[in-house]
Amino acid sequence: AQSVAQPEDQVNVAEGNPLTVKCTYSVSGNPYLFWYVQYPNRGLQFLLKYITGDNLVKGSYGFEAEFNKSQTSFHLKKPSALVSDSALYFCAVRDPLTGQNFVFGPGTRLSVLP
Amino acid sequence: SQTIHQWPATLVQPVGSPLSLECTVEGTSNPNLYWYRQAAGRGLQLLFYSVGIGQISSEVPQNLSASRPQDRQFILSSKKLLLSDSGFYLCAWSLTGEGTPLHFGNGTRLTVT
Repeated sequence: AQSVAQPEDQVNVAEGNPLTVKCTYSVSGNPYLFWYVQYPNRGLQFLLKYITGDNLVKGSYGFEAEFNKSQTSFHLKKPSALVSDSALYFCAVRDPLTGQNFVFGPGTRLSVLP
Repeated sequence: SQTIHQWPATLVQPVGSPLSLECTVEGTSNPNLYWYRQAAGRGLQLLFYSVGIGQISSEVPQNLSASRPQDRQFILSSKKLLLSDSGFYLCAWSLTGEGTPLHFGNGTRLTVT
């Protein structure tokens, strides 16, 4: 069965510093991996995805993520954090063998301090 | 471009009352449709998904049901709400093709009193 872990419940970073939000996954085959961001009382917004190819994928709002197959990780990164990046971040996996369903991690709350 | 509409945005209902939340998608055909519940601003629980009209899969046995009367319409219902049904309900859609992401509506905040 597929699963996603986000080992940090909360991440605090100072504005202007680089940020990393961690994600590890478990699937039976090669995964499709996604990152989403959620602001208060809103739906999740798609940030970026990894399907195949280059291990470093770039997404919206300056975010990027690095796929590491040997470590089964897909960490979200940004070189310089903004206060407006403060939100709840979700990693998700979709198993191409089963197709239909997405499995989400528990979420990581990012706080960027001015 | 595709858009997803979900309403109402907030809802306060007494215990034992019925529920109907509606979600529609525009700009695409034959989407996969999903209902999620998010409790306490955290993890997402998949409630139902649908790959076509009249085709509903339930992930969690509960007090809720879902229907898909039209290709791009997905409805979440309950005959009698429980206190435990309170939460943030999110509708989402995706395509079946490889690697296509989920796209979410803005959610409905349901409070059962």
